[in-house]
Amino acid sequence: EPEVTQTPSHQVTQMGQEVILRCVPISNHLYFYWYRQILGQKVEFLVSFYNNEISEKSEIFDDQFSVERPDGSNFTLKIRSTKLEDSAMYFCASSGEQGAPFQPQHFGDGTRLSIL
Amino acid sequence: KNEVEQSPQNLTAQEGEFITINCSYSVGISALHWLQQHPGGGIVSLFMLSSGKKKHGRLIATINIQEKHSSLHITASHPRDSAVYICAPRFGNEKLTFGTGTRLTIIP
Repeated sequence: EPEVTQTPSHQVTQMGQEVILRCVPISNHLYFYWYRQILGQKVEFLVSFYNNEISEKSEIFDDQFSVERPDGSNFTLKIRSTKLEDSAMYFCASSGEQGAPFQPQHFGDGTRLSIL
Repeated sequence: KNEVEQSPQNLTAQEGEFITINCSYSVGISALHWLQQHPGGGIVSLFMLSSGKKKHGRLIATINIQEKHSSLHITASHPRDSAVYICAPRFGNEKLTFGTGTRLTIIP
């Protein structure tokens, strides 16, 4: 069964550095998402992306964050000037076979980001 | 405000017991996901439903749109079912709003 893959599985970064989290969505999906989960808390929506642009973003997704689909397969989340509070598990998800909206979302295994 | 409540927060049961996890939400939705999160953190989508009932193996999910309520049932529970189960409605757009989860522990 097709999977969403995320790399790396664990990223350790010094505070203030930039980090890029990578995701390869399921190949025929057209809707992409990033969520995060701070340790001990519930999963929170960050951003959704469709047709090469952000379709919705949360209050968390400020100017520090950006997303990009640099080629036909990767979907990246960039965090500039990382802070301690950015430490969390970041999940990528995709949905929408052939562009159909409101389809089940499929999740990657997550990237655990640790800011020192 | 789009709110999601799950109950119970924690549930411990003996192997073989019938399990029920409940989810209530505040306003109308377009669909609702039930998700399973393993101790390592990975999330698996179990069901997406917008009406009625769905069954997959020993798992059953139901939703009552009028009551704004959904339940996840596990029949003949097994220790490998131990995980966090999360309800995540979609309030009219594509993003999911996650509940706080129910931590299920099945004792052999």
